[in-house]
Amino acid sequence: DGGITQSPKYLFRKEGQNVTLSCEQNLNHDAMYWYRQDPGQGLRLIYYSQIVNDFQKGDIAEGYSVSREKKESFPLTVTSAQKNPTAFYLCASSARQGGINTGELFFGEGSRLTVL
Amino acid sequence: GQQLNQSPQSMFIQEGEDVSMNCTSSSIFNTWLWYKQDPGEGPVLLIALYKAGELTSNGRLTAQFGITRKDSFLNISASIPSDVGIYFCAGQLNNFNKFYFGSGTKLNVKP
Repeated sequence: DGGITQSPKYLFRKEGQNVTLSCEQNLNHDAMYWYRQDPGQGLRLIYYSQIVNDFQKGDIAEGYSVSREKKESFPLTVTSAQKNPTAFYLCASSARQGGINTGELFFGEGSRLTVL
Repeated sequence: GQQLNQSPQSMFIQEGEDVSMNCTSSSIFNTWLWYKQDPGEGPVLLIALYKAGELTSNGRLTAQFGITRKDSFLNISASIPSDVGIYFCAGQLNNFNKFYFGSGTKLNVKP
């Protein structure tokens, strides 16, 4: 079945450690996104990528890094510079036509990161 | 980032009742999306709207893209217990490739 796979679903990290969250999609979508979700808040955009080997900062990129070496993969690294990393992280993807996203954003099941 | 104002924040209703929630923005969007999220899961797309004034249904769900392109609403008719969850609106700015989200409406349905 086509979809977006995030791993791990749960992750615990000690302060000062970097962690990488995986996101893989087999939908053949060009655009991929990382969002952060905190209780009582909407989803906030961390990074997004419109095409392989290219990505842009979202609204809360500080303390995070990404890479887009393959179309189907968009891993997110939460670095030790992120002051409050405990959150639910969601990866998403969308198709593009004519340089503009088609407007349907599909999500993975999320990864919950807890800093101990 | 862009702010989407979604209301109400939460609702407690009786099974069988109809529900309405809405989102407004200070910016013009070219796409409005409505999602449902269950606890610990990713949001699932319910309805996508692409034209001002568009009214689209998906089963008991109906959503509309506001004429001004700055708002959208979602109605759920004859609610059932499995409608419980958090509903999010999302908008895509014209000629941009980012999606912005409302803060969600938490729906509780009493059997």
